[in-house]
Amino acid sequence: DAMVIQNPRYQVTQFGKPVTLSCSQTLNHNVMYWYQQKSSQAPKLLFHYYDKDFNNEADTPDNFQSRRPNTSFCFLDIRSPGLGDAAMYLCATSTPGETQYFGPGTRLLVL
Amino acid sequence: AQSVAQPEDQVNVAEGNPLTVKCTYSVSGNPYLFWYVQYPNRGLQFLLKYITGDNLVKGSYGFEAEFNKSQTSFHLKKPSALVSDSALYFCAVRDGSDYKLSFGAGTTVTVRA
Repeated sequence: DAMVIQNPRYQVTQFGKPVTLSCSQTLNHNVMYWYQQKSSQAPKLLFHYYDKDFNNEADTPDNFQSRRPNTSFCFLDIRSPGLGDAAMYLCATSTPGETQYFGPGTRLLVL
Repeated sequence: AQSVAQPEDQVNVAEGNPLTVKCTYSVSGNPYLFWYVQYPNRGLQFLLKYITGDNLVKGSYGFEAEFNKSQTSFHLKKPSALVSDSALYFCAVRDGSDYKLSFGAGTTVTVRA
């Protein structure tokens, strides 16, 4: 089945230690998104890629970076995680202007 | 600018009873409206959407939603709720010309046996 996959499902890191979250898709969608979701709140868009074009939201902290080496994969890098970065991180994909499909999420714990 | 309001933080219903989750929206252009469901420690699952056409949209798992332009509402409904429908529900809107989804705050649905 075509799908959005996120690895790992749970990630524990130490305060200030860089961490990378992974997203892959078999849907062949042009657009990939990264969201942060805290405590069952609404997901907050961090950035998205339209093909290789990177689009950062104005209020996304510099601590968050992203890479998209090819159509299938997208990575979220948190350079120096703080306690406030503990959250669920959701990856989503879509074709332009169409429905976004979400992966299962990665729950990040910062110690 | 676009926004979504889900006026109820929680909805509680008995199994077998009708379920309604309310959503109102605001967009400057044509609204693209979506409902997603989220189970604990899972991602968002797409339920249904309204782009154009019939105001009553049918989706997954027996859910449907009615688009009401004059009331700027897109309420989610299910005629007979199941305990397994207990989850967090998000309404989302996008201006037709935009990529960005605006989510409501979410409504927690609890269906009691």
